[in-house]
Amino acid sequence: DTGVSQNPRHKITKRGQNVTFRCDPISEHNRLYWYRQTLGQGPEFLTYFQNEAQLEKSRLLSDRFSAERPKGSFSTLEIQRTEQGDSAMYLCASSLAHPGGPYNSPLHFGNGTRLTVT
Amino acid sequence: AQSVTQLDSQVPVFEEAPVELRCNYSSSVSVYLFWYVQYPNQGLQLLLKYLSGSTLVKGINGFEAEFNKSQTSFHLRKPSVHISDTAEYFCAVSVLSSGGYNKLIFGAGTRLAVHP
Repeated sequence: DTGVSQNPRHKITKRGQNVTFRCDPISEHNRLYWYRQTLGQGPEFLTYFQNEAQLEKSRLLSDRFSAERPKGSFSTLEIQRTEQGDSAMYLCASSLAHPGGPYNSPLHFGNGTRLTVT
Repeated sequence: AQSVTQLDSQVPVFEEAPVELRCNYSSSVSVYLFWYVQYPNQGLQLLLKYLSGSTLVKGINGFEAEFNKSQTSFHLRKPSVHISDTAEYFCAVSVLSSGGYNKLIFGAGTRLAVHP
């Protein structure tokens, strides 16, 4: 278990540029989540994947945001035409679903990608 | 809708003193409750979880929490804190979505500052 890996750790970009973040979940985990955390706040849910299927997107995820999880392994989160309000820590988490039950294993988080839009 | 309220944004405490970080939740259904810790510039690490059974849950690093259904609370406690416990602590409730999966709803966090 090498944990959830996120790259890059830090990204500084100018307003209007596009950025892409990558998340590699724990290998046997079939569920993957993206959260956003702004300063002084708890993480806010953005989107969720079950294997390669994106099953839920928060209203926080505007049209400028897109997430993919091809082949149900790693995931990418792209932000187009970045705005200063996009500055935040973007956290990825994964978990393993238990079939037939309501309980999932706890979410395991990566160290996040801190985005600064200047 | 489910929500989590952490009643204190900051808790200062001296080393070796006891501490309690308060968390209240609102939910109309059965809940799973979690406490996570976040050190600077890192992701969240699970401290402990309540799924069912005993209402007193023990976690890592000497922390424990008590689930109180009548008061809808899940307060985190440690009898004697260390400088290394200085971090942000998040309480979270697991919400069962219509799609049959769980997602976490987090509180705003409590900053624990341990002073020598």
